[in-house]
Amino acid sequence: SYALTQPPSMSVAPGQTARISCGGNNIGSKSVHWYQQRPGQAPVLVVSDDSDRPSGIPERFSGANSGNTATLTISSVEAGDEADYFCQVWDSHSALFGGGTKLTVL
Amino acid sequence: QVQLRESGPGLLKPSQTLSLTCNVSGGSISSSGYYWSWIRQHPGRGLEWIGYIYHSGSTFYNPSLKSRAIIAVDLSKNQASLRLSSVTVADTAVYYCAEGTLVSAFETWGQGTMVIVSS
Repeated sequence: SYALTQPPSMSVAPGQTARISCGGNNIGSKSVHWYQQRPGQAPVLVVSDDSDRPSGIPERFSGANSGNTATLTISSVEAGDEADYFCQVWDSHSALFGGGTKLTVL
Repeated sequence: QVQLRESGPGLLKPSQTLSLTCNVSGGSISSSGYYWSWIRQHPGRGLEWIGYIYHSGSTFYNPSLKSRAIIAVDLSKNQASLRLSSVTVADTAVYYCAEGTLVSAFETWGQGTMVIVSS
């Protein structure tokens, strides 16, 4: 079965750039969606279809997808970006999520 | 702006059936092209998709749930529902309903409802 792999955690200083990876076999052939989940809250869609930003999501959030890795990039990281981030794809009519990456802002 | 709100009993005993409701406001559950999913999150863990339903009644489920899950819609109440039979402690989780188009992103999520299974 298809699997998505994310690093469990990463940390970045304010103002720096965070790049969160999501690995999967030939993931570049799939559409990847990214969600932000702050503690105690429901997930929020921040990037859809590899690189589209929903209305209201800052331009600091961007996405790319190629080969075996999709990447969520958060530029000029702020304290409010501290959260769990999940990637998601569809495979054989089933939605699959990565294990999530906890982003800590130093 | 569609809003979703889950509701249901917060505490169950093993072997009971979990029943949850997702109330849709600000839009119609019959909206063309939109699918209504249930997703759960075990404590401190990642997200697990349970299944989806279209307003026509067509459904698709995560095979890992081994036919324990049933998702339905009530068009008159603008609601979706989830029934999960024969629950065990492993079904303890926050349950979310979410909306999106087929095989695309989950655009809108409810706030989630915590379900604890304990004897």
